[in-house]
Amino acid sequence: NAGVTQTPKFRVLKTGQSMTLLCAQDMNHEYMYWYRQDPGMGLRLIHYSVGEGTTAKGEVPDGYNVSRLKKQNFLLGLESAAPSQTSVYFCASRGDQSSDTQYFGPGTRLTVL
Amino acid sequence: AQSVAQPEDQVNVAEGNPLTVKCTYSVSGNPYLFWYVQYPNRGLQFLLKYITGDNLVKGSYGFEAEFNKSQTSFHLKKPSALVSDSALYFCAVRDYGQNFVFGPGTRLSVLP
Repeated sequence: NAGVTQTPKFRVLKTGQSMTLLCAQDMNHEYMYWYRQDPGMGLRLIHYSVGEGTTAKGEVPDGYNVSRLKKQNFLLGLESAAPSQTSVYFCASRGDQSSDTQYFGPGTRLTVL
Repeated sequence: AQSVAQPEDQVNVAEGNPLTVKCTYSVSGNPYLFWYVQYPNRGLQFLLKYITGDNLVKGSYGFEAEFNKSQTSFHLKKPSALVSDSALYFCAVRDYGQNFVFGPGTRLSVLP
């Protein structure tokens, strides 16, 4: 039982490049989340999903897209990376509406030059 | 809108002394409150939560938190700090919706 895993762990992009971050969970959780963590700002929600095939915007969705084609995977895409997207990205999952605890992945450190 | 404040960026405490990390919140309706801990280069780990019931909630690693509705606070406490408790601590709140709002985090340093 690996919990929540994220790929890759580190990445450096040039402005304008695109990339996809992969989050996978093996706990059969319904809910999945993408956050970004910036110094002094805590975690901010980018997008989330309440089940396979569903996605919704969070607090800071601009510049990002997501997909949840399979229940266990939640992909975060950057179509045209900008330096303002330099951050640490965390994925989290949660069982269902009655479950309160989120389980976090180890994070992806992204630098956009 | 929900919000969480952690008024201290940094808390320093000597090993063996009690520690408190402060959190205040604003939410409509009854709050669901959480504490998470983040060790260097790791994801967040769940410590404890308050949903309903006793105002004093016990969690992992000897931590506890006190819910105070009148002061809208949910302070994290531990009777005797360990050097290994040094980490970044986040308070979070969820209302009847599906999303969580996190505070900015408080860095705890326990000095030997």
